[in-house]
Amino acid sequence: AQSVTQPDIHITVSEGASLELRCNYSYGATPYLFWYVQSPGQGLQLLLKYFSGDTLVQGIKGFEAEFKRSQSSFNLRKPSVHWSDAAEYFCAVGAVSPEGTYKYIFGTGTRLKVLA
Amino acid sequence: KAGVTQTPRYLIKTRGQQVTLSCSPISGHRSVSWYQQTPGQGLQFLFEYFSETQRNKGNFPGRFSGRQFSNSRSEMNVSTLELGDSALYLCASSLVGQETQYFGPGTRLLVL
Repeated sequence: AQSVTQPDIHITVSEGASLELRCNYSYGATPYLFWYVQSPGQGLQLLLKYFSGDTLVQGIKGFEAEFKRSQSSFNLRKPSVHWSDAAEYFCAVGAVSPEGTYKYIFGTGTRLKVLA
Repeated sequence: KAGVTQTPRYLIKTRGQQVTLSCSPISGHRSVSWYQQTPGQGLQFLFEYFSETQRNKGNFPGRFSGRQFSNSRSEMNVSTLELGDSALYLCASSLVGQETQYFGPGTRLLVL
């Protein structure tokens, strides 16, 4: 079955520290991969996406993610976290279902807390 | 270019009532998807509309329905509301559906 796993429900880092949020997916082919961020009470904002090509993708707000096919992973990274990065982060996969329809599958999210 | 807009932003209803939520996609986008977000279940796909036709449907009861108009604006309706329908309802639009989705701010529904 197609699925997305974000193993860390909560992560706390100090401001200025580096960050890595993990995402693993289960899908038979190479899916479209996305990271979104959600601030409290807001919708989801697209941080970055991977469709094909260079496996290291750059996004907005200084974020980057690396697609590793062998590990079925698409981890999100940022070298130096800012207090404004505190939010919930969602990994998503765009994939064709067994029924032949395209759909997004979301992970359960990782809530990031930033310590001053 | 304006983003996805959703109205209303907040809504309070009582059990048994029905509710209609509206979504206006980004100009030029023809696909609109709806999601329900709750603390317990996370983000769950409701349905997708493209060219006024429901193209994809999640695993929700028939009380949840939607439609899309010729200008790509979409509405979703929930009838006979239950307490468990309290959630943030998110709408997302994309050009034709099989690529990046852009999300609106959501409508927060509280059922009392």
